Amino acid sequence: GNSVTQMEGPVTLSEEAFLTINCTYTATGYPSLFWYVQYPGEGLQLLLKATKADDKGSNKGFEATYRKETTSFHLEKGSVQVSDSAVYFCAASGGYQKVTFGIGTKLQVIP
Amino acid sequence: SQTIHQWPATLVQPVGSPLSLECTVEGTSNPNLYWYRQAAGRGLQLLFYSVGIGQISSEVPQNLSASRPQDRQFILSSKKLLLSDSGFYLCAWSPRGTVGSGNTIYFGEGSWLTVV
Repeated sequence: GNSVTQMEGPVTLSEEAFLTINCTYTATGYPSLFWYVQYPGEGLQLLLKATKADDKGSNKGFEATYRKETTSFHLEKGSVQVSDSAVYFCAASGGYQKVTFGIGTKLQVIP
Repeated sequence: SQTIHQWPATLVQPVGSPLSLECTVEGTSNPNLYWYRQAAGRGLQLLFYSVGIGQISSEVPQNLSASRPQDRQFILSSKKLLLSDSGFYLCAWSPRGTVGSGNTIYFGEGSWLTVV
């Protein structure tokens, strides 16, 4: 089956710092890749996605590029804000109607 | 537009008591439905998914069960809760069709279950 690996964190950054959260996956075939964000006390929201190799997903200043050669989908943002503090989940589709999630990376941005 | 609701939002139940979490989706037909559990430090675990009424696939053997009595209703149940059942439960849906084609999974607000 598929698997998704990401650092658990927490990742602590100062406001306006550059963010990278690494995500690698193992999958058969060509999965679609997703980043979800979970703000404190809430459910998960889709942040961005990419459905094929070399696609770049972007939203709210976040970006991630589907790298088939390195099986990666790293999340980046050039300048984080306090309001970006949340848990970020990388995910990969695969198999019959299933999506596999990483363990989630907690991001804390301090003023 | 499509919406998903689950309830109750929080629940405190004694060990050995039954459980029923409900989830409904509006604004779409024939969705794929999912139950996930998020335990502290363990990420998201897929518990059940359903591609149609009465069709339930279980991912993890446990004392939980799921049912889909109507097209847009998904219920998570237990006859006797264990302490280890505590966690954050998320219902989700995706459009009919394979998730591998890029269909997104959309999540409900979540239900906090504490078993005491």
